[in-house]
Amino acid sequence: GAGVSQSPRYKVAKRGQDVALRCDPISGHVSLFWYQQALGQGPEFLTYFQNEAQLDKSGLPSDRFFAERPEGSVSTLKIQRTQQEDSAVYLCASSLAAIVQETQYFGPGTRLLVL
Amino acid sequence: GESVGLHLPTLSVQEGDNSIINCAYSNSASDYFIWYKQESGKGPQFIIDIRSNMDKRQGQRVTVLLNKTVKHLSLQIAATQPGDSAVYFCAENSYTGGFKTIFGAGTRLFVKA
Repeated sequence: GAGVSQSPRYKVAKRGQDVALRCDPISGHVSLFWYQQALGQGPEFLTYFQNEAQLDKSGLPSDRFFAERPEGSVSTLKIQRTQQEDSAVYLCASSLAAIVQETQYFGPGTRLLVL
Repeated sequence: GESVGLHLPTLSVQEGDNSIINCAYSNSASDYFIWYKQESGKGPQFIIDIRSNMDKRQGQRVTVLLNKTVKHLSLQIAATQPGDSAVYFCAENSYTGGFKTIFGAGTRLFVKA
């Protein structure tokens, strides 16, 4: 079946530009996560949705980062006024249930480069 | 704060040998631990998991060991193959008002033919 998909796969933005990254989770998955992965590092948690509710956004690095999942399926991560330090791979993951012991399935990521 | 880290950043093994990748964690309240494999240009892929009430779990060619006394996690890969070359991350899941996964920095595994 279809896995988690993300678009675009690559994005080049000029500093100060706004960007929107899309995540299509596996159909029926309740939980959705966003992570930021810097080069050579492990993914860093950004935010978590249970259906349409954003239950944890403690990992968002600044108020320039905003995520939504209005209908409990597709999610968008928006970064306003991008800075060079925002350059990273942004990963989306989904899981079937809202429990700790649940496998997360990751998308391929969106590689963002801010010039 | 809580962190999950790895002892070695790179590991090189001969094809057919066994590989052992280690990880230390600091949050004694973590309930669930996972090993992920990440190949270049791809997202992390689930390999094996273990709950905090277990100390060993086996899968196909992989075994995860959990030592809660010293807060140590290891991944053993039997008969390592070239296709196993990737970066391996340990991660821990916890619930603190919301679900959160903390990843370690990763170990790059090179398999020499």
